[in-house]
Amino acid sequence: NAGVTQTPKFQVLKTGQSMTLQCAQDMNHEYMSWYRQDPGMGLRLIHYSVGAGITDQGEVPNGYNVSRSTTEDFPLRLLSAAPSQTSVYFCASSRTPGGSETQYFGPGTRLLVL
Amino acid sequence: KQEVTQIPAALSVPEGENLVLNCSFTDSAIYNLQWFRQDPGKGLTSLLLIQSSQREQTSGRLNASLDKSSGRSTLYIAASQPGDSATYLCAVNNYGQNFVFGPGTRLSVLP
Repeated sequence: NAGVTQTPKFQVLKTGQSMTLQCAQDMNHEYMSWYRQDPGMGLRLIHYSVGAGITDQGEVPNGYNVSRSTTEDFPLRLLSAAPSQTSVYFCASSRTPGGSETQYFGPGTRLLVL
Repeated sequence: KQEVTQIPAALSVPEGENLVLNCSFTDSAIYNLQWFRQDPGKGLTSLLLIQSSQREQTSGRLNASLDKSSGRSTLYIAASQPGDSATYLCAVNNYGQNFVFGPGTRLSVLP
């Protein structure tokens, strides 16, 4: 199993550009989520999904869109990048929602918005 | 709103020492608590998951305890090694909610 994979590993954007961060898992997990990690602030939840076709907002959803058309994939879209979105983005998955089981994390995407 | 804090923010110890990392949370009605390890430039790796009904979990040299009533968890690392150097994060899950993460403790174990 590859686990949770994320692409790209690093990206530089100009303000106003859009892009999609890819996330995929091969463990048949129902629950997937996106976090951003900023220095001294821990991880903050952006969006999450409890299954294909179902998404919901987390703590900091503004400026981001998600969709979940398959169990395996959970892309994160930046609609119009802003410098405040400079961060490291992590995708995670677990077998069930509700936090009862271990979460598995991808390696992260480091995003710089100029 | 659940808030999670970790003390200290950074810790440096000589190899071989036993050490304790602390995690505090404001809402004691938790479902479980999870400790993670993060190496520089990498993702998070789950170390231990403690359910609300448990008081501790052990894995090798790691032991995590949970005191719900006081809103605290500790991660004990025995006989520390340079390979233990990393950032350790705790995350708390309330019933029906998503995980809330602490800011982490950056550990350096010196040879």
